[in-house]
Amino acid sequence: NAGVMQNPRHLVRRRGQEARLRCSPMKGHSHVYWYRQLPEEGLKFMVYLQKENIIDESGMPKERFSAEFPKEGPSILRIQQVVRGDSAAYFCASSPPARSTDTQYFGPGTRLTVL
Amino acid sequence: SQQGEEDPQALSIQEGENATMNCSYKTSINNLQWYRQNSGRGLVHLILIRSNEREKHSGRLRVTLDTSKKSSSLLITASRAADTASYFCAISSGSARQLTFGSGTQLTVLP
Repeated sequence: NAGVMQNPRHLVRRRGQEARLRCSPMKGHSHVYWYRQLPEEGLKFMVYLQKENIIDESGMPKERFSAEFPKEGPSILRIQQVVRGDSAAYFCASSPPARSTDTQYFGPGTRLTVL
Repeated sequence: SQQGEEDPQALSIQEGENATMNCSYKTSINNLQWYRQNSGRGLVHLILIRSNEREKHSGRLRVTLDTSKKSSSLLITASRAADTASYFCAISSGSARQLTFGSGTQLTVLP
């Protein structure tokens, strides 16, 4: 059973370019969460999605950031017109539909560097 | 903010010693979870303790929860060099499914 997969693992972009981060949840998991981690800090929640629905995007910056989880394919976190402050590690986590456990399973992360 | 806060921020011990990390939070919770993160890696789930539980064990890990003090502790017994990592507490509260993480404790176990 493969774990949560994220790609790319490292991404370098110049200011003004777009960054696309992908996340494939664990098999059987229909809930996906994106978190951002700045150096030496904990993870900060960004957005929670289920298939074809954004459930909670309260942690997402209002501009330039968007997320989707289509019926087919991975979840995508898109950052348009990146700035240096977007440099961080972006982690995706997934969980099963049932609320019997709140354990989230994390991917290895995508480290975004904006030059 | 309902963010968990870990204490201490950094801890350095000798192999074989016990390591204790603490987490405090501000609101009522559904459960509290501890995760480990090795440098440059993703998070690994260690243990989950529900709000109606007071203590839980998993191998060399022991977690306690005191909801009256809004605090939790993670004890790692007989530490090993491989335990060197950052440890985060994360809380689940209300109907929200996302986790709120603390800023972490950096544990260094010296061989």
